[in-house]
Order: sequence, then structure tokens, then C-alpha cells
Amino acid sequence: KAGVTQTPRYLIKTRGQQVTLSCSPISGHRSVSWYQQTPGQGLQFLFEYFSETQRNKGNFPGRFSGRQFSNSRSEMNVSTLELGDSALYLCASADGGGLQETQYFGPGTRLLVL
Amino acid sequence: QKEVEQNSGPLSVPEGAIASLNCTYSDRGSQSFFWYRQYSGKSPELIMSIYSNGDKEDGRFTAQLNKASQYVSLLIRDSQPSDSATYLCAVVRGSTLGRLYFGRGTQLTVWP
Repeated sequence: KAGVTQTPRYLIKTRGQQVTLSCSPISGHRSVSWYQQTPGQGLQFLFEYFSETQRNKGNFPGRFSGRQFSNSRSEMNVSTLELGDSALYLCASADGGGLQETQYFGPGTRLLVL
Repeated sequence: QKEVEQNSGPLSVPEGAIASLNCTYSDRGSQSFFWYRQYSGKSPELIMSIYSNGDKEDGRFTAQLNKASQYVSLLIRDSQPSDSATYLCAVVRGSTLGRLYFGRGTQLTVWP
């Protein structure tokens, strides 16, 4: 099976702009989770979607939003970008099989906000 | 108290030695435990998962779980320079499917 794919891989934006990141999960996986990774904060959970519904949400401001489509592909959007949003954004997919489901990560999108 | 804590490192071991990585978690309701490896500039890749108390072995890797002590560890036997990476401990709490709680990671260097 093909792994998790994320597009774009690299992105440069300026403050105030908005950005949309895309994630295609492993075939058959219905759960997609998004994480932000920075040197200062480590890996922080943004939100998780399962069968098009947001099932979990982390402690990020409303500028961060996401959605999932019927084919399980997911997008996350960040509006009004701030310098502190510069990070590696990772998505992970899982089969949604319960507490023992395993998350597999995509290669990430590296966002730089100038 | 943080949800997941790891020995801060960095950890440096010679080639062929055993590397021991430790992790504690705060929520007694945690059900699933994972070790990921992350090379610099790359995304995390799964090494091991463990769900029951005791040891689980996979090649040179052994994960150990002690739910009573809220402790999970990863042993790497016969360490190789290619094992040099940051190791992330991740936990799923019983109430939050789909969300991994990560430790800050332990940076391991294996020198030849």
C-alpha cells in the first residue's frame, strides 16, 4: 500500500496570509490526525477527523481548522498566519479500529512564515 | 505534570551497546503505547507498539510496559550508527481515540 502523502512539502508565506495543506491517508484508513512540530514545543496535536467528523481537537486557536472528505482525504487551513506558525505540519492516518489503532505519519509540510 | 515525559538525553552509546530509553505517563487510563523514531528533517516512523504489561520484542528492539508504575521503555540491542535519531514515546489515553500524546523525545547518538 502507498503511504500517507502530504502536499505541498514546502511552503513560504507572509504574515496575514492563509494556507491550506492537504493529506491523503493510506488506502482504507478512515482517521486522519494533524500535528504541529516545532523545536520549542515538540509535537502538538491539532485535530483528528474520522469519517468526515472532527472527533478530537487540541488547544489551538480558531485560525486552525480542518475538514475531511468522503474519500478520507483531509485538509487543514491556517488563516491570518503569524510568525509562530512556522513549523513542520504532520498528518497521520489510522484505520480507526479503536484504542489499538496505529498512526502512520506522512512526510510533513514544512511551513515558513515571513 | 506533563502527560508524557521522557529521559531528557541526549544519550550517547558506542556501537554494539544497549541503548535504554525511558518514558513515564500521567494518565492511568492510558491504553496504548508507541515508540517512534525520527531522523533529523524527517517525519516520525513507527518502531514498536505495546498494549499489555511485559516485554515485546521485535528484532533488536524490546519495548517494556509497566502500567502499575506508568512506565514504558525501549531497549535497542547491538546499537548501530544508523540508530542515531530522536526517539519519541507516544501514548493514547482511554478517552481520546485518534490523539497521540507525545513526549519531547530523546536524542540518541551511536558512535562507531
